Order: sequence, then structure tokens, then C-alpha cells
Amino acid sequence: AQTVTQSQPEMSVQEAETVTLSCTYDTSESDYYLFWYKQPPSRQMILVIRQEAYKQQNATENRFSVNFQKAAKSFSLKISDSQLGDAAMYFCAYGKINDMRFGAGTRLTVKP
Amino acid sequence: GAVVSQHPSWVICKSGTSVKIECRSLDFQATTMFWYRQFPKQSLMLMATSNEGSKATYEQGVEKDKFLINHASLTLSTLTVTSAHPEDSSFYICSARDIVAGSSGYTFGSGTRLTVV
Repeated sequence: AQTVTQSQPEMSVQEAETVTLSCTYDTSESDYYLFWYKQPPSRQMILVIRQEAYKQQNATENRFSVNFQKAAKSFSLKISDSQLGDAAMYFCAYGKINDMRFGAGTRLTVKP
Repeated sequence: GAVVSQHPSWVICKSGTSVKIECRSLDFQATTMFWYRQFPKQSLMLMATSNEGSKATYEQGVEKDKFLINHASLTLSTLTVTSAHPEDSSFYICSARDIVAGSSGYTFGSGTRLTVV
């Protein structure tokens, strides 16, 4: 089975600063998707950003961008201009048609 | 956008009884549903994957006789926790894959908090 590893249980960032959350994964597949999800206290899973493995260009969504290194199986999330509302649990996920797995999560705190 | 309705949002049941959780895709067809459980301050652990019209595939360590999954239509999947015990208390979340969007389109339900007393 594929595995997803998030090595940072907690991260902290000052409001308006930039923070990077790390994620590595293990797979023998060549075609798959990678995701970052945000889970606030409500526990609703919110899609932050998505990356197709066959695309070399890194995905961006406003203040959120990824650094996708396919050979290294690394998929980090950069949050620019951090806002108080960004505080939440962030999960990295690997997805294929019949599989979707999550990392252990990183709790992000944003300091005013 | 795509919406998955999950009910109930919370339920309390007595030990030994069964509880059914429903996940319904409201505006798309879901060929695949994923069921997860999440303990406090932990990640989502995949329990099983179900495809419409076929038996669910359970992850290692998940009791298929305790967690019954039915995916009888392209818009509805259910998880029944049978003979529930306090250790089954957890947060259960479903995720549906859009048949059109393929691997890029996964939509989550809002979750069910199960408490067994």
C-alpha cells in the first residue's frame, strides 16, 4: 500500500509570514494525484490544492503553492502571507482511482 | 460544486446496538466511496473502499463483519457499525470519487461523531 509521511506534527508561523509544510510519499505508480487538505476544528475536510503527478508544473492556488519533486517523492506546501484563518490541521494525501490515503497531519498555528 | 451529504452528524448509541451512517452524493455520481475513521488528534485512517454494485475492499485489521458497507447505487453508500462497543467510538468520514472527475475529484462528507455508551 502507498504511504504518506508528514514529519512535522506541529508548525508555527507569524501572521503575514511564509511557512512550508513537508510531505513525502511512497508509490510504485507513475500516474496519481497528490493533495493538501485543511481540517479546521469543525473537522470538515477542505481541499487546499491538488497536483497531478504527470504535470511537472507546480500547482498554485492564490497564497498556496506546492513544490512537487516526483523523483524524490516529495510534495511540500507553501503558505504565503499567512492569515489567522489558516490555522488548522493540514493533511497531505495520495490519491488514485481506488485508493486515497493521508499522512499523519501537521497542526499549523498562526501567531498574530 | 460537488456535495456529499453525510448523516447523522452525531449519534449516541448503547453498547451492543447497531448504527447506520449514510453518505449520499447530491449532484454527481460516485463510483467509489472511501470510508475513514479518525480518532482525536489523529489522521484519517482508511477503513474500506467500496465500488458501486460490488463488495467493499477492507483494509487490513478492519473487521468486515463489524463494519458493513453497502454501495448499492451511484449516489448512496452506507456504513453500519454492528454490535457497537465503546472502542468503536470515533469520527467517521466518507469520501466520494466523482465518476467524471476521476482521480482528481474527491468530495468529503461532513463526518459522523459516534459515541457508544
